[in-house]
Amino acid sequence: DIVMTQTPLSLSVTPGQPASISCKSSQSLLHSDGKTYLYWYLQKPGQPPQLLIYEVSNRFSGVPDRFSGSGSGTDFTLKISRVEAEDVGVYYCMQSIQLPWTFGQGTKVEIK
Amino acid sequence: EVQLVESGGVVVQPGGSLRLSCAASGFTFDDYTMHWVRQAPGKGLEWVSLISWDGGSTYYADSVKGRFTISRDNSKNSLYLQMNSLRTEDTALYYCAKSSSGSLGYWGQGTLVTVSS
Repeated sequence: DIVMTQTPLSLSVTPGQPASISCKSSQSLLHSDGKTYLYWYLQKPGQPPQLLIYEVSNRFSGVPDRFSGSGSGTDFTLKISRVEAEDVGVYYCMQSIQLPWTFGQGTKVEIK
Repeated sequence: EVQLVESGGVVVQPGGSLRLSCAASGFTFDDYTMHWVRQAPGKGLEWVSLISWDGGSTYYADSVKGRFTISRDNSKNSLYLQMNSLRTEDTALYYCAKSSSGSLGYWGQGTLVTVSS
């Protein structure tokens, strides 16, 4: 199975400041079709996860442009340019290049 | 609007069986692969199973292989998870999710399964 490792596991951010989460995979997520199968989700308290970013850097429908994703191969980053109160929750990266699909451990983001 | 509504979660004894359901609406159900993902209390996300649009292909996490069976009824826009030989470690909130270009684009609110004597 592909292991997804996130750092840090928790983050406390002042509103308006940037935040960054790293995700590393144990194998390359670049497929022969040219796509990289890396996704980011946010699980707000008491809610199901919601898709933020697909294929490394594409924002899903309705996701604010303060969220951005980057990376390639095995190293990926989610950045929030200016954290807002509504961004609190647990962020997960996920790979779907190989079954079983696997998630990172999650990064809990809270507001200072 | 895509809606996924899970049901069937209850308290069940170890070794017992349970069938979860997921009612889908707001999209053409039989165009999409569907998934089950679970989350143990206070823990992270674990992908459980997927089924192709026509039910012809199914895959399972090793942790549930041989005990769980995913199925779908496209005439009823419904997804199912038959869970047998339940263990305490199967206790979790079970989500159904709609596949979208390799991702899990939409999720239901989940249904809670508790395995306890």
